[in-house]
Amino acid sequence: QVQLVQSGAEVKKPGASVKVSCKASGYTFTGYYMHWVRQAPGQGLEWMGWINPNSGGTNYAQKFQGWVTMTRDTSISTAYMELSRLRSDDTAVYYCARGENDSSGYYYLDYWGQGTLVTVSS
Amino acid sequence: DIQMTQSPSSLSASVGDRVTITCRASQSISSYLNWYQQKPGKAPKLLIYAASSLQSGVPSRFSGSGSGTDFTLTISSLQPEDFATYYCQQSYSTPPTFGPGTKVDIK
Repeated sequence: QVQLVQSGAEVKKPGASVKVSCKASGYTFTGYYMHWVRQAPGQGLEWMGWINPNSGGTNYAQKFQGWVTMTRDTSISTAYMELSRLRSDDTAVYYCARGENDSSGYYYLDYWGQGTLVTVSS
Repeated sequence: DIQMTQSPSSLSASVGDRVTITCRASQSISSYLNWYQQKPGKAPKLLIYAASSLQSGVPSRFSGSGSGTDFTLTISSLQPEDFATYYCQQSYSTPPTFGPGTKVDIK
């Protein structure tokens, strides 16, 4: 069965960086884009971007360009999201989610990781 | 960016009730609309994609309809496990954007 297992909670100081991992299993890792979505406490969902695990190509939301980096290691079926220059308002749960494109061209996020809480505090 | 709105922002309902949640896009998105359910402390779960297609394993009491700018999610008979927050999301253009959510709680 498809599983996305994320790394554990992190506590960081303002200005630091954080790198969250997302290990995929149960499907061909290079066959599906991996998206990252975050959710601040008590707030809604915010899309950050995606990585194509096959090519390494990325597409970041404009808000995050210049301070998010998405990478992957195909040898261990793992995607990574690194956010730099952290601020207190980056405190959120960060999710990875598999992007599925069906034959009609529709795409959706069909499997999600369990989430990683990143707390930014001095 | 395409803006998504949802109404109501919250509702109280009883087990067995029929519940309808509305989602509206700021421009036409054809049928590129997905619905997710999120329970406290859990990741979102895909319910409906392409406006009306039921994700595998999702109970048939959930249904979606609409196209263009106006969409609805209907729960035909609310069950105890359905108390959660529901989000719509457009996948018509990048960035994909989510609605603010509708919280369904127990009356």
